[in-house]
Amino acid sequence: AQSVAQPEDQVNVAEGNPLTVKCTYSVSGNPYLFWYVQYPNRGLQFLLKYITGDNLVKGSYGFEAEFNKSQTSFHLKKPSALVSDSALYFCAVRDIETGGFKTIFGAGTRLFVKA
Amino acid sequence: DSGVTQTPKHLITATGQRVTLRCSPRSGDLSVYWYQQSLDQGLQFLIQYYNGEERAKGNILERFSAQQFPDLHSELNLSSLELGDSALYFCASSKRLAGGGETQYFGPGTRLLVL
Repeated sequence: AQSVAQPEDQVNVAEGNPLTVKCTYSVSGNPYLFWYVQYPNRGLQFLLKYITGDNLVKGSYGFEAEFNKSQTSFHLKKPSALVSDSALYFCAVRDIETGGFKTIFGAGTRLFVKA
Repeated sequence: DSGVTQTPKHLITATGQRVTLRCSPRSGDLSVYWYQQSLDQGLQFLIQYYNGEERAKGNILERFSAQQFPDLHSELNLSSLELGDSALYFCASSKRLAGGGETQYFGPGTRLLVL
């Protein structure tokens, strides 16, 4: 079965510092991986996805993620954090075993960026 | 704004009651997905419809049902409500069947409180 894990419940970083939010996955074939962000009292917003191609994927708001097949990871990164980046971040994998209709989400990582 | 709308934003009801949540997908999107977000279960996929037909089922209880209408809006019906059904219910849409690389766009959610 496909699964995704976010090992950190919370990540704290100072504004201006680089940030990393970790995600590891388990899939039986080629992974389709996504990052979403959820601000308070809002729905999830799509940040970026990896389907195929370059291992470094660039997304919205200056975020990027690196796909690492050997480590089965898809960590979210940003070179310089902003206070406004504080939110709940979800990594997700598309369950292609069932035809790709289900998206399995990680438990989420809360990011706090301090000024 | 993702273009996906959900009504109502908030719903307070009593145990044993039945409620209907409504979702209008983005213009041109044929697929609609329903998710439940709760503190203990995280973000769980419930069900997906494509162009009026059910295409995938996730962790959806038998007390819950959904449908997609000819105008592509969808409704999620929750009956015999229990305290544990209190959660944030999200609708998402995408253009096609989400065979792998489709991005899902999420609505703002309906917050359901069962007393």
